[in-house]
Order: sequence, then structure tokens, then C-alpha cells
Amino acid sequence: AQKVTQAQTEISVVEKEDVTLDCVYETRDTTYYLFWYKQPPSGELVFLIRRNSFDEQNEISGRYSWNFQKSTSSFNFTITASQVVDSAVYFCALSEARAGYSTLTFGKGTMLLVSP
Amino acid sequence: DTEVTQTPKHLVMGMTNKKSLKCEQHMGHRAMYWYKQKAKKPPELMFVYSYEKLSINESVPSRFSPECPNSSLLNLHLHALQPEDSALYLCASSQPGQGASYNEQFFGPGTRLTVL
Repeated sequence: AQKVTQAQTEISVVEKEDVTLDCVYETRDTTYYLFWYKQPPSGELVFLIRRNSFDEQNEISGRYSWNFQKSTSSFNFTITASQVVDSAVYFCALSEARAGYSTLTFGKGTMLLVSP
Repeated sequence: DTEVTQTPKHLVMGMTNKKSLKCEQHMGHRAMYWYKQKAKKPPELMFVYSYEKLSINESVPSRFSPECPNSSLLNLHLHALQPEDSALYLCASSQPGQGASYNEQFFGPGTRLTVL
């Protein structure tokens, strides 16, 4: 069975601090996809990144970076120089392909509070 | 068009009302999903349609009735709901297939439902 663990329930930082959100996953499949979503108070789930199981390259997008390590089954997300607008709940998710659709297992989410 | 739209944005209904939620996508996706999300929790899968046929029903009570009239449209009919059904209802779609560009679920903005 798939499982995604986000051990940090809530993180509070002051603006301009760097912050890392942890994500550990479990799956028996050799082909899978990992995602990070942001959910601001407005409620919409905003897609941030997708990574497939064969691509362990780390990625940087502006202030965001992701560290994927298959050896430790982790897919951590770092925000550099955090801003108040980064305040949101962040979900890590694991997707597996099925015949005709995909299954998406979410972690419980990490609420990030960035204060001025 | 890479958008999933949902209407209405907000819905307040009594326990004896009948209402429907609507979801639409024009990305040519053949899998569509309904999720329910309670406050401070991750989305929970309710239903999956693949090629307009119901593939997954996660033991959802019969007061929720999904319908997929065509490949672009997904409805959720609501009848005799309970106050505990108040939540954010998210729709998503994906394109089934192999490879990293498939299986990503695109989410709509959600309908915030309040049952009085």
C-alpha cells in the first residue's frame, strides 16, 4: 500500500528565513510520481512540481527547490527567503498509474506560517 | 485550455434540498475525480470515472450520486445531506497513459459546501 508521511504538522518562520518541508513515501511500485501542491486559504490546490521515479535530479524554480532521494524515499521541499505569501498548507503526494486513471495518495499536509 | 472549472464556488443547502455540483474540463482528459476535503485535512477520494464509466466508489454514502454525461463533464448530485457533509469538494482530471506527462491530476478550484 502507498503511504506518504509529512511529519511536520505546522512550521512557523519569520520572513526571509529558509524553510524545508519533509516528505517520506512508501510504495512497492517501481514506476511512480511524486508531487507537491500548495493550498492557500482560498482553498485551491496549486500544483508546484511533479517528479517521476526515474528522475532523481534535484530541481530549482526561483525560491523553490526540491531534493528527491530514492535511497531514503524522500522528496523534500525547500523555500529560500520565505515570504508572507508562502503561508499555506503544503501537501506532498504520491501517484501511481492504473489502467485508465491514477491514484493519488496525499500526506497529511504541513501548514507553513510566515510572519512579517 | 489547461483548466478545470467548478460551479458553484459556494453552496449553502438544507438537509432536505437537492442540489448538484458541476465540473468541466476541455483538456481531452478521460479520467475525472471527485474529492472531499475537510478543514486541515488532505483531500479524500470519493469517485473516479475513467472513459465515462465509474471505476472507483470509495464507499461513499448514496446521498452523493456522481454522473459523467460526457468526457468533459462531471456532476455530483446531492440529496438529503447531513451537516457533517459540509466540506470543500474538489474535482480533478487526468489523462491516462504511460510516462511522466500522464497521470498528473489537474484540480479545479473547488466548491465550498455548507449543509445547514
